Amino acid sequence: DADVTQTPRNRITKTGKRIMLECSQTKGHDRMYWYRQDPGLGLRLIYYSFDVKDINKGEISDGYSVSRQAQAKFSLSLESAIPNQTALYFCATSDPYGLAGADTQYFGPGTRLTVL
Amino acid sequence: LAKTTQPISMDSYEGQEVNITCSHNNIATNDYITWYQQFPSQGPRFIIQGYKTKVTNEVASLFIPADRKSSTLSLPRVSLSDTAVYYCLVVSENRDDKIIFGKGTRLHILP
Repeated sequence: DADVTQTPRNRITKTGKRIMLECSQTKGHDRMYWYRQDPGLGLRLIYYSFDVKDINKGEISDGYSVSRQAQAKFSLSLESAIPNQTALYFCATSDPYGLAGADTQYFGPGTRLTVL
Repeated sequence: LAKTTQPISMDSYEGQEVNITCSHNNIATNDYITWYQQFPSQGPRFIIQGYKTKVTNEVASLFIPADRKSSTLSLPRVSLSDTAVYYCLVVSENRDDKIIFGKGTRLHILP
């Protein structure tokens, strides 16, 4: 969805480096999410935020932190990157009462992160 | 939040109708059933959502029996471009819980 953007799209970094992935949306949604995807493991939820003051851990939050700077921005940080954090990361937004359906999620294009 | 179970993978041929079944035995009274489609290296895309009986849109149909413990996504006359991963999710009517995607069903359409 072009209304959800992620930067960078690709990143290669080294073990121990701090990395920030950014997500911005123009959909006006309060809810935002961070997922990671590894081959054969589907999508796993890292963190989610139902509004600017509400941040919650997902299935696999260890090694990650997030910041919700504004309704439109949700950043994911890897404080000290390790190789098993190599994955495809997706940001998403949702409107719990959207016309498309209850809590329909809209995804960004993804960030491919490689940790060497 | 109800757990969902769906086949890991399926193969079919162009022009066929494909049915992917999902079980959600612990679905709550007011939960919705939602399906997403994901192409390689793209984020998932909403396909269809339903509560009971049958829902149809331009992409797919969703069949939900009376007990709502399972649902079937039906893709009519598939083409090679329907090759993707399909996720079945349960969404709380209260919209107050996180959404879990799981591993989905990898559908491979053959010529």
